[in-house]
Amino acid sequence: QQQVKQSPQSLIVQKGGISIINCAYENTAFDYFPWYQQFPGKGPALLIAIRPDVSEKKEGRFTISFNKSAKQFSLHIMDSQPGDSATYFCAASGLGGSARQLTFGSGTQLTVLP
Amino acid sequence: DSGVTQTPKHLITATGQRVTLRCSPRSGDLSVYWYQQSLDQGLQFLIHYYNGEERAKGNILERFSAQQFPDLHSELNLSSLELGDSALYFCASSDLTGEGSPLHFGNGTRLTVT
Repeated sequence: QQQVKQSPQSLIVQKGGISIINCAYENTAFDYFPWYQQFPGKGPALLIAIRPDVSEKKEGRFTISFNKSAKQFSLHIMDSQPGDSATYFCAASGLGGSARQLTFGSGTQLTVLP
Repeated sequence: DSGVTQTPKHLITATGQRVTLRCSPRSGDLSVYWYQQSLDQGLQFLIHYYNGEERAKGNILERFSAQQFPDLHSELNLSSLELGDSALYFCASSDLTGEGSPLHFGNGTRLTVT
């Protein structure tokens, strides 16, 4: 019940295109859903996060869409740029115990072609 | 730069040995989290400390232990090392145990067990 399933494993997008990464969770106690971006040799960095009381959150070119009934959430990267090429992780956590005990998805390696 | 410092960056050791990984959290952050990133298991939560006290344990082996010192730096001790312990070990910090504070990850320690 702690698992977060992420797809696709890899994604290749042309510059200017839309990148979409999907995640699904099972644990209904999760109430915090962040996305992290990781470049080679670096630690994950928080990109954007959402709570289940809203269906969408946008920050610049990055948007999270959240479907509570389906227990799914997705990251949309608009106008994708070569600099966005990185590995993206979705994650989830609940407030019980440790609020930032994140359960991560398996990651999506995004390549944006120039 | 996340402000979280991890040392050493790389560590190569033999099976059966013991190593200590060190983490200095961002200034003012009381919470320290340890995560393991491996190819087969992905990013997995190991343990969380808040102001010197253990708050939560995840998938941490009994051969592994951690502590957080009065100056808030933390150490992760790995003993009786096995080949399968080879991974990236990340430390992350936040200023709260509850909601509202994202995790800030260091750049990790790459452990290679030969």
